[in-house]
Amino acid sequence: KAGVTQTPRYLIKTRGQQVTLSCSPISGHRSVSWYQQTPGQGLQFLFEYFSETQRNKGNFPGRFSGRQFSNSRSEMNVSTLELGDSALYLCASSWAGKNYGYTFGSGTRLTVV
Amino acid sequence: SQQGEEDPQALSIQEGENATMNCSYKTSINNLQWYRQNSGRGLVHLILIRSNEREKHSGRLRVTLDTSKKSSSLLITASRAADTASYFCATVSLAGANSKLTFGKGITLSVRP
Repeated sequence: KAGVTQTPRYLIKTRGQQVTLSCSPISGHRSVSWYQQTPGQGLQFLFEYFSETQRNKGNFPGRFSGRQFSNSRSEMNVSTLELGDSALYLCASSWAGKNYGYTFGSGTRLTVV
Repeated sequence: SQQGEEDPQALSIQEGENATMNCSYKTSINNLQWYRQNSGRGLVHLILIRSNEREKHSGRLRVTLDTSKKSSSLLITASRAADTASYFCATVSLAGANSKLTFGKGITLSVRP
């Protein structure tokens, strides 16, 4: 079956712009989580959605937001981009979350210039 | 913030040797998971061990968990050049419905042919 699909793979944006990243989870998976990976901070949890509801949120500013659609596809949005937002953004899906492993997408590499 | 701390930070071994990686964490967990990442791509789920389990095997992988010491180890036997990657341990908190993964900084494994 198809894996977790993230689009786009690469993105270059200018400071102050906004960006929307997309994630299509594995069919049947209802939990979708987002992570930010940077060399300095490592892998940091952004948020998790389950059945269209945000179930958990990490310690990121309000510029980072997300949503999940009825087909479990998820988007995350970053507004007013800063240079420090340059990172690999990873989406992970799971059947139900907590007691199961996660399947990660290949990520979206965002560069803010 | 990082929950898991892996040790060593980098490991270089010869093909055919065994690789042992350690992870320590700070709070009570529901489960601990190990992931592999190749060259900044997505993470691949390797194995999940629940807090009431002490050892688990999957192919050439063996994971142990010692909740009294808040530590886990990942053993890769008969390593191959294709095992070269970064390895992360990640914990899932015991608390409530919290299903976020809290990652360590990762271990870089190099397997020399």
